Amino acid sequence: AQSVSQHNHHVILSEAASLELGCNYSYGGTVNLFWYVQYPGQHLQLLLKYFSGDPLVKGIKGFEAEFIKSKFSFNLRKPSVQWSDTAEYFCAVKETGSARQLTFGSGTQLTVLP
Amino acid sequence: ETGVTQTPRHLVMGMTNKKSLKCEQHLGHNAMYWYKQSAKKPLELMFVYSLEERVENNSVPSRFSPECPNSSHLFLHLHTLQPEDSALYLCASSQGVLGGTEAFFGQGTRLTVV
Repeated sequence: AQSVSQHNHHVILSEAASLELGCNYSYGGTVNLFWYVQYPGQHLQLLLKYFSGDPLVKGIKGFEAEFIKSKFSFNLRKPSVQWSDTAEYFCAVKETGSARQLTFGSGTQLTVLP
Repeated sequence: ETGVTQTPRHLVMGMTNKKSLKCEQHLGHNAMYWYKQSAKKPLELMFVYSLEERVENNSVPSRFSPECPNSSHLFLHLHTLQPEDSALYLCASSQGVLGGTEAFFGQGTRLTVV
């Protein structure tokens, strides 16, 4: 069964610091990869996704992620965080062409200090 | 506004009560899902409906009973719940269950079982 690991449960940064959140998955086949964000009191929303092609994916609000197939990783990055980026971030994986649904990581709480 | 609406937003119920959670999607999707989000744990997929037919049931206790009367509506009927069932219940929808379609989430129902 596939699984998703997010190594950092809570990350605290100052504004303007650079961010990298780790995500590793266990499935060896072809996958689609997602990062979702949940701002306080709001719904889960999609930040970015990877289906195929360029492994460097750009999403909303200046976020990007790089798919490294050999490392089974899909780390999320942002060069300079803002206070408004405080939220919980979830990595998710789905087997391509399968009816099996998204498998989520346990999430990383990001707190950005003003 | 995500196009996926859940009601109620908050629910407190006793262990002997019967209640229902409602989800409605306005996106024209044909697949709908229930997820359970507990603190410090990955989102857990509970049920998947595709074209109003249940296609996945992840060993969920029978005290949770889903219903999908049409492709726009999804219910989760609750009865004789336990305190450990307290969690955020998220509904999501997507266009199809195969392929790299992303899921759109509602804001969730915060359930407390007393």
